[in-house]
Amino acid sequence: GQNIDQPTEMTATEGAIVQINCTYQTSGFNGLFWYQQHAGEAPTFLSYNVLDGLEEKGRFSSFLSRSKGYSYLLLKELQMKDSASYLCAVRDSNYQLIWGAGTKLIIKP
Amino acid sequence: TAGITQAPTSQILAAGRSMTLRCTQDMRHNAMYWYRQDLGLGLRLIHYSNTAGTTGKGEVPDGYSVSRANTDDFPLTLASAVPSQTSVYFCASSPGTGSDTQYFGPGTRLTVL
Repeated sequence: GQNIDQPTEMTATEGAIVQINCTYQTSGFNGLFWYQQHAGEAPTFLSYNVLDGLEEKGRFSSFLSRSKGYSYLLLKELQMKDSASYLCAVRDSNYQLIWGAGTKLIIKP
Repeated sequence: TAGITQAPTSQILAAGRSMTLRCTQDMRHNAMYWYRQDLGLGLRLIHYSNTAGTTGKGEVPDGYSVSRANTDDFPLTLASAVPSQTSVYFCASSPGTGSDTQYFGPGTRLTVL
């Protein structure tokens, strides 16, 4: 079967750095996405990795290791508005997205 | 631009009744998708359409039907609602089906009693 694993919940302090991990087992791999979802809102796109390595976008970076079936999202200089759920999704061999259940990130002052 | 709109925002429906959730995009995207999101579970694909005139089944298609008569609209119909269909439904679209990013509508919160 296909499986995406992420921690259910994480807590971090404003101004700090947090790393959210995602491991996956899917039938094929055609890219990995990270989305942010604030409570009661739609998911919004954050990053896309298809090759191994680190992609940096401002305060957010995403890393991929295809051989390990592993990715992480790194958030720096945390702000209160970063409190949200972070969804990891893998595009499989049929080009369908398989989604993790999401990691709820709580930022404390 | 509006992007993707969904209607209604929320609905309470009696079991056994039918309902159509509407989804419209103005980005001229070829591909559209319907997902449901339940607490503790990832988004699950119900149906998708790679281009106008074609549809396909996702992971959880039973009890749902879709049509794609034109590029902009992708309605989702529940023929006879059951309580297990209580969920938040998201419509999404993408320019194509390769590595393209999916963009989501605001969602419809449906409660079936």
